[in-house]
Amino acid sequence: TQLLEQSPQFLSIQEGENLTVYCNSSSVFSSLQWYRQEPGEGPVLLVTVVTGGEVKKLKRLTFQFGDARKDSSLHITAAQPGDTGLYLCAGEGAGGTSYGKLTFGQGTILTVHP
Amino acid sequence: NAGVTQTPKFRILKIGQSMTLQCAQDMNHNYMYWYRQDPGMGLKLIYYSVGAGITDKGEVPNGYNVSRSTTEDFPLRLELAAPSQTSVYFCASQGAANEQYFGPGTRLTVT
Repeated sequence: TQLLEQSPQFLSIQEGENLTVYCNSSSVFSSLQWYRQEPGEGPVLLVTVVTGGEVKKLKRLTFQFGDARKDSSLHITAAQPGDTGLYLCAGEGAGGTSYGKLTFGQGTILTVHP
Repeated sequence: NAGVTQTPKFRILKIGQSMTLQCAQDMNHNYMYWYRQDPGMGLKLIYYSVGAGITDKGEVPNGYNVSRSTTEDFPLRLELAAPSQTSVYFCASQGAANEQYFGPGTRLTVT
């Protein structure tokens, strides 16, 4: 069974601060996806990283996939109240019967105070 | 283009009752998934389907059943509801780049 450990579980910061969320596993994933979920809604995809060492930027959000494709991080610069939500990482299994199926981390609840 | 739709949005069941959670997508995706989300536990895969007529168990299938008679629809059936099935249920379909599109969820309480 592939597991994804996400940390921290809770993050409460002031507007303008920077933060990093980590997603770690002992398993190799073919890709790593990051989702954001708002209360009462389903998760929405932010980004997919595929190549080991890959870095993707989405405005103030920077996503990195570890060289060995076992871990990932999400860094937010100058957080805003609109960034508040649940952030989920999800790893896609590397081949065989795991193809296409996602393993989700337990999520990080981010609260950004004005 | 509605994406993934789910009904009902909320439901309260008594122990032992049964119900079907409906899920439909209009993106012609072959892969579809059912997850449950418990507080602090992320998303757990219940069942998935790779196309009409083909379904398979996920990580937590006990107490649930699914069917996939068409590409569009993927209903989830609870036969004998138990308090442990109190959760938020999400249906998702998968696009060509393996990204998943989620419905708005069904919040189920079993008392």
